[in-house]
Amino acid sequence: DAGVIQSPRHEVTEMGQEVTLRCKPISGHNSLFWYRQTMMRGLELLIYFNNNVPIDDSGMPEDRFSAKMPNASFSTLKIQPSEPRDSAVYFCASGHQGSGANVLTFGAGSRLTVL
Amino acid sequence: GENVEQHPSTLSVQEGDSAVIKCTYSDSASNYFPWYKQELGKRPQLIIDIRSNVGEKKDQRIAVTLNKTAKHFSLHITETQPEDSAVYFCAADPQSSGDKLTFGTGTRLAVRP
Repeated sequence: DAGVIQSPRHEVTEMGQEVTLRCKPISGHNSLFWYRQTMMRGLELLIYFNNNVPIDDSGMPEDRFSAKMPNASFSTLKIQPSEPRDSAVYFCASGHQGSGANVLTFGAGSRLTVL
Repeated sequence: GENVEQHPSTLSVQEGDSAVIKCTYSDSASNYFPWYKQELGKRPQLIIDIRSNVGEKKDQRIAVTLNKTAKHFSLHITETQPEDSAVYFCAADPQSSGDKLTFGTGTRLAVRP
């Protein structure tokens, strides 16, 4: 298995532009998580899905952020419009909910810089 | 919701010495406690985990202990090596919230050669 695949690995954009981050979870995993990592705030959970259904989006900072999981093999995190304070590394992770211990595997991350 | 506190935030040890990182959690329903290692510029990777029905687990030079009564758990690294230098995150998983891991703030470990 190729693991959790994220794209793009790096994105530099200007304030106000739309940003779309993509994630392909590990085949067979039924839960998917989006995290944001910054030096100041550490690893923050933004939203997570079980069986493609959003379960908890309380970590999504503002309405500018949205996430979708149209099927079991693909998810997107969109920021529109982007702001400089959105600059961070965004990680996607997948796991197997219901196993008694949801071991998460992280993707390589998408480093976003908003100028 | 769950709240996980992690200490210390930074730790520097001499190669060959031991390192201990401690975490406390708030939700007594939490029953799964993983530890992740994140090297500079890399993704967090699971290094060891423990479930609530076990008090201690060991894997070569790393071990984790859990005290459910006190709601704290610790990571122990013995005979540290320079390649152990990284940021370590603890996490807790309250099954009641649907397997949503809550992470600690991380400990930056530096092993001096």
